[in-house]
Amino acid sequence: AQSVAQPEDQVNVAEGNPLTVKCTYSVSGNPYLFWYVQYPNRGLQFLLKYITGDNLVKGSYGFEAEFNKSQTSFHLKKPSALVSDSALYFCAVRDARYSTLTFGKGTMLLVSP
Amino acid sequence: SQTIHQWPATLVQPVGSPLSLECTVEGTSNPNLYWYRQAAGRGLQLLFYSVGIGQISSEVPQNLSASRPQDRQFILSSKKLLLSDSGFYLCACDRDAQLRETQYFGPGTRLLVL
Repeated sequence: AQSVAQPEDQVNVAEGNPLTVKCTYSVSGNPYLFWYVQYPNRGLQFLLKYITGDNLVKGSYGFEAEFNKSQTSFHLKKPSALVSDSALYFCAVRDARYSTLTFGKGTMLLVSP
Repeated sequence: SQTIHQWPATLVQPVGSPLSLECTVEGTSNPNLYWYRQAAGRGLQLLFYSVGIGQISSEVPQNLSASRPQDRQFILSSKKLLLSDSGFYLCACDRDAQLRETQYFGPGTRLLVL
């Protein structure tokens, strides 16, 4: 079975500081990993994905994520947080055996001015 | 790129009433389609997915059903709503048979059962 863990319910960071939202995964085969962001009362928006190749993936709005196979992690990062980055962030995984995505429970990011 | 429409945006229904939520997709053909529910506690629960017309897989047995009458139309239904059916319902799609493809989401329908 595939699974995703987002160990933090909430992450607080000051505007201008770097941010990290953590994600670890468990799959049987090679993982396909995704990050999404959700603003209040909106659908999920795709940020970035790792399929293969370079372990550092760059995505929308200045976000990036680093795939670490030995630690089975795919942490989301941004060098300088904005207040507008405040939202709910979901990590998701799919491997070759499953046709459906498995989502983490989400991490609320709060960026203070 | 594909666009996902969901209707209605908000719905308030009494317990025991029927339900029909519609999802339509533009800009792609033969998509995989998905219905998720997001409860107040924030997690996403996959309810149904479909790989083609008339093909429905149920992930969680419950008070809901799904149908796919056309290639780009996915409908979520209930004959009698329960209080526990309240939540935010999201439709999503990705391209057929490409597991590395990104899954895209619609704007969602907020359902409140009273």
